[in-house]
Formats: sequence, C-alpha cells, structure tokens
Amino acid sequence: GAVVSQHPSRVICKSGTSVKIECRSLDFQATTMFWYRQFPKQSLMLMATSNEGSKATYEQGVEKDKFLINHASLTLSTLTVTSAHPEDSSFYICSATSGGQYNEQFFGPGTRLTVL
Amino acid sequence: RKEVEQDPGPFNVPEGATVAFNCTYSNSASQSFFWYRQDCRKEPKLLMSVYSSGNEDGRFTAQLNRASQYISLLIRDSKLSDSATYLCVVNGQAGTALIFGKGTTLSVSS
Repeated sequence: GAVVSQHPSRVICKSGTSVKIECRSLDFQATTMFWYRQFPKQSLMLMATSNEGSKATYEQGVEKDKFLINHASLTLSTLTVTSAHPEDSSFYICSATSGGQYNEQFFGPGTRLTVL
Repeated sequence: RKEVEQDPGPFNVPEGATVAFNCTYSNSASQSFFWYRQDCRKEPKLLMSVYSSGNEDGRFTAQLNRASQYISLLIRDSKLSDSATYLCVVNGQAGTALIFGKGTTLSVSS
C-alpha cells in the first residue's frame, strides 16, 4: 500500500511556542491531504483539507490563524500549531489520497503533541 | 443523528470466535465505505474497502446495504492480534475527507 510519513512522531514543548509537523507521501503523488486531530478515547476529527497549490479549507471551529497549513508540493503538507497551549495537546494525524476510484486514504503514523 | 454510528463495545471474545460489527451512516449520497483498524496510540490503517457486492479478505468479510445505509464487518476465527478498535468510515466524492465512526473495540482473549 501507499506510504505516508509524518515528522516528528512526538513533540513536547512549552506553552507559547510553535510546532511544525510534516506529512509526506513517499511513493505516490497526493492530490489532497487531510489533517485530523484525535483526543483520547475520541474519534478522529477533521481539521482541514489541503490541496496542493491552494489554500486549505478549514472545518468549522478550527482557527486557520492558529493551525497554519502549507501544501507546497504533491508530496508534502505541513501543519504549524502556532502559540501552542496545553489544550492543543493531542494526536495529530495526516492522511493523503491520490484520488483513485475508491478514494482510499492512507494515514501517516501521527504526531503526539504535548504542550506543557 | 451522527453521520456514522457504531456500537462502541467493547466486544470481549475468546480466540476462535466469530464476531460481527455493525455501522450505520446518515448521508445517502456517501459513495465510498471502508473499515479501518486502529491500535492503541497508533494511526488508523486500512483494513478493507467495502464494495456494493460485499467482499471477503481471508477471515474478514464486509457487506454494504445501501438501502438501509448499513455496513458490517465479520471476523471469523478471531486471533489475539485482532484486538484493536475497528473504525467504520464513509465519504462522498473523491478528494473529500473521510468521516469516521467512533470505533468499536474488540478484545480477543486466550
């Protein structure tokens, strides 16, 4: 299957700092990438949809100025959590699709963010 | 009504048991259907896509009933390694995000 990588896998930072998370599709070109967030014992919640070369589309309630998304190429999307606070601590997961017939999406291994 | 609903479980079964998970979705325009598996503190991994005619992959059988907006997953001969959370996932057009159920937790014991 398709491979999606995420970096870093774990981040611990102080409140007020910014954290950048990278999502890469390694063996396919991703027309669309998605960013999800998952709190403990909760389902994945979509944060934003990212298309290469255009502005990301954010879900209701997700602050676009706080969660900056850049999709510079067909294999790379980045999520920057600006001025992180403890309530931003969560598991951030990206997924990517090449837009095939069944729209299968493949997930990165996730980034566990802890803000102290 | 939630977009994708699943029984959260947990389902506790012995090795070798057969277990079935059900899922309903609210958007009749949904076009693609999947079962993902998520292990604790890991990312979801695609288990199988669900096709209109139903499909089988080894011990796993998935079925789709569009009229009832219902999806099922059957696991035969459960293994200890099947213990995980199983996510029912649907979406609409290609390029749109997946909509996840909250998952059903399965625990297989020896």
